Amino acid sequence: QQQVKQSPQSLIVQKGGISIINCAYENTAFDYFPWYQQFPGKGPALLIAIRPDVSEKKEGRFTISFNKSAKQFSLHIMDSQPGDSATYFCAARGSNYKLTFGKGTLLTVNP
Amino acid sequence: DGGITQSPKYLFRKEGQNVTLSCEQNLNHDAMYWYRQDPGQGLRLIYYSQIVNDFQKGDIAEGYSVSREKKESFPLTVTSAQKNPTAFYLCATQYRGGVGEKLFFGSGTQLSVL
Repeated sequence: QQQVKQSPQSLIVQKGGISIINCAYENTAFDYFPWYQQFPGKGPALLIAIRPDVSEKKEGRFTISFNKSAKQFSLHIMDSQPGDSATYFCAARGSNYKLTFGKGTLLTVNP
Repeated sequence: DGGITQSPKYLFRKEGQNVTLSCEQNLNHDAMYWYRQDPGQGLRLIYYSQIVNDFQKGDIAEGYSVSREKKESFPLTVTSAQKNPTAFYLCATQYRGGVGEKLFFGSGTQLSVL
């Protein structure tokens, strides 16, 4: 039972382009939605996060868009750079502070 | 991953052998977690602990065991009952108090079966 569905599985973008990764969830009790970035051989690191009472949050080139009625949220990376090449995970927090992760998106930004 | 030390970085297990993965933190965080990462499968929660001497099973606890005798340490034992142990194991910590949602991850241990 996958509670957070992430797409696409992989994404190739040209330098300067916009990368968009989507996630959908089922549990309406989720109350916190973070995105994590992971480079090969390393642990994930928090990139940006949003709560369901706002529809958008922006930090530099990274933006989360949140649609509560559709139970969907997405990560937009503007002006994508080769250094952004990594695996991105969306997640959702439920009871006991437990996070449920999506399966990840491998982003490749070509120079 | 500063402040969280996972060791070893690579580990090999023989059939029928138990192995223990170490996770030590100096962040003074109350909560600690173990996740398993398989290619294309995301991160799945094995065990978590919110306080010393207490821990709970996650979504895939079968074949694993943990202890939390000290705040700084949360070792994971992969027992012989875990028939498919090959994976990347990640330890994480979380501060309790204030806005405590952020997880801090270690650099992981890659476990392989010989």
